[in-house]
Amino acid sequence: KNEVEQSPQNLTAQEGEFITINCSYSVGISALHWLQQHPGGGIVSLFMLSSGKKKHGRLIATINIQEKHSSLHITASHPRDSAVYICAVSRNQFYFGTGTSLTVIP
Amino acid sequence: DAGVTQSPTHLIKTRGQQVTLRCSPKSGHDTVSWYQQALGQGPQFIFQYYEEEERQRGNFPDRFSGHQFPNYSSELNVNALLLGDSALYLCASSLPGQGGGYTFGSGTRLTVV
Repeated sequence: KNEVEQSPQNLTAQEGEFITINCSYSVGISALHWLQQHPGGGIVSLFMLSSGKKKHGRLIATINIQEKHSSLHITASHPRDSAVYICAVSRNQFYFGTGTSLTVIP
Repeated sequence: DAGVTQSPTHLIKTRGQQVTLRCSPKSGHDTVSWYQQALGQGPQFIFQYYEEEERQRGNFPDRFSGHQFPNYSSELNVNALLLGDSALYLCASSLPGQGGGYTFGSGTRLTVV
């Protein structure tokens, strides 16, 4: 069983829709990360969370430590948001989810 | 301020050969971690280097080895390549003791034929 589970695996949305990606984890963590990976491979760190909520532009990330659950929200989605979004938790190393492939259609 | 730099970006090798991948960490970072990402999968932790020593290791065979240099840059070596070693190899740098603050490189795409 993977330490980090994400859902959905694939998501297609119309431009402008509100998007939610969920992440559950089963290990104790120092922090939870949301990462973005575009075709070609490079990974960009979007958020690092240990509690509460963070917002950056149209992206919002929340975490519930008691429930071991986090969500990534994208408001007013745009085709340039199309990417794979990966949830990862860190202790001494990263444990990665398998990612959510998001496609935003114009 | 340069981020993490990996080289080469793409590489094709023949089964049985050896390969060396390189990573320069973000300025100010002294810990380097390596990850393997097979197509359609999430990254898997290979190992982490700090103070020129392997500090942690994931579930990878001894064919995978590494090195960290005094300037904190790192190499990942894979011997006796198998077709299944074809993957994106990602390097991430960080400061020790932090719960996060990782910076990822763009990766090296290795294809074994």
